[in-house]
Amino acid sequence: DTGVSQDPRHKITKRGQNVTFRCDPISEHNRLYWYRQTLGQGPEFLTYFQNEAQLEKSRLLSDRFSAERPKGSFSTLEIQRTEQGDSAMYLCATSPFANTGELFFGEGSRLTVL
Amino acid sequence: AQSVAQPEDQVNVAEGNPLTVKCTYSVSGNPYLFWYVQYPNRGLQFLLKYITGDNLVKGSYGFEAEFNKSQTSFHLKKPSALVSDSALYFCAVRVLSSGSARQLTFGSGTQLTVLP
Repeated sequence: DTGVSQDPRHKITKRGQNVTFRCDPISEHNRLYWYRQTLGQGPEFLTYFQNEAQLEKSRLLSDRFSAERPKGSFSTLEIQRTEQGDSAMYLCATSPFANTGELFFGEGSRLTVL
Repeated sequence: AQSVAQPEDQVNVAEGNPLTVKCTYSVSGNPYLFWYVQYPNRGLQFLLKYITGDNLVKGSYGFEAEFNKSQTSFHLKKPSALVSDSALYFCAVRVLSSGSARQLTFGSGTQLTVLP
């Protein structure tokens, strides 16, 4: 499968714990995005990388959230001191440099904070 | 700020009938408009996009959408619905002239159910 891969697919954690999600992009795609989707809502933008550079961050991305893309390939999204309000589907999407905006999404990582 | 509205949370249509899923947008500048579909336990899949040119764009699985600048709408259509079209549909917009040039802004989604 050469699509966007996300791991883990499901994560259940207790409030206050840290969690980390990983995204492996389509190999030739240098743009990578993280979105969050809650039930009944559309995806909300969190952050954007072009290669290893984090170029945009949403106000939704509190200081408990951090994302990295150290070598311009895979990316990680870490949430520290999780809260129940962090429960959501975390989506990774990628695109090649020269395209007009369509994104290729992974299947998401579902987080449940108890 | 850019925004997208999908006024219908749920659309039901009989198999074989035409379907329309509505989307309106609000942007400053020229919009790039997209439709995505999400099947249960699957990632969002790109259906079609409007960038420039012909207002009627055709996409995957027989879907099409019409860009209407005066009404700021981008409704998704299909002449004959299939049961397999049942899914959650999202409209999205992107504006290159804005400060947030890279992100897509999504609507809240419309659940389409095609009844056999």
